[in-house]
Amino acid sequence: GQQLNQSPQSMFIQEGEDVSMNCTSSSIFNTWLWYKQDPGEGPVLLIALYKAGELTSNGRLTAQFGITRKDSFLNISASIPSDVGIYFCAGQRGNTPLVFGKGTRLSVIA
Amino acid sequence: NAGVTQTPKFQVLKTGQSMTLQCAQDMNHNSMYWYRQDPGMGLRLIYYSASEGTTDKGEVPNGYNVSRLNKREFSLRLESAAPSQTSVYFCASSERTSGGAGEQFFGPGTRLTVL
Repeated sequence: GQQLNQSPQSMFIQEGEDVSMNCTSSSIFNTWLWYKQDPGEGPVLLIALYKAGELTSNGRLTAQFGITRKDSFLNISASIPSDVGIYFCAGQRGNTPLVFGKGTRLSVIA
Repeated sequence: NAGVTQTPKFQVLKTGQSMTLQCAQDMNHNSMYWYRQDPGMGLRLIYYSASEGTTDKGEVPNGYNVSRLNKREFSLRLESAAPSQTSVYFCASSERTSGGAGEQFFGPGTRLTVL
């Protein structure tokens, strides 16, 4: 099946630092989504991207749909303790179901 | 507006027992999905229903069956539970009418342990 490579797998950062994570694929996608999962909860949609090159922000979060349509990036500025969680990317190709990355586990040190 | 609800939240089964996980959404979405989440594996699609009356296999359908009872409800059944089915199960829904997904909304999950 289709694979999404999400990196890094985990990261430990100091409060106030900026965070960058990305997702890559060997296939082209026409939709990229970024989700966050808090411990013991279901994933929550953060940002949806529908056009190559699109840059979208949601508060301190910014995500970009790569020009090649094979990658996407998520940045978090000035991290705070509540940013802790697992961040998932997901891509969709045509009318097929979403494909999810394995997640980036973010830990914030106060 | 509760979004996506799942019952039960926790369940322990013995090998060979059967059970049904329930999911309901109140957003009038056409498409519904069942995923399992295992450590380090991300979310893997078990089955989905693009619209009422249709169901399709996902990446890991073996050992499961589903029923799209109506537009609101989509259940997942384990006929004979195995320890390999120990996992966290998530239901999701979206408004897309095709087999595609778009913006999916997730329930809180069911944590299943099979002994």
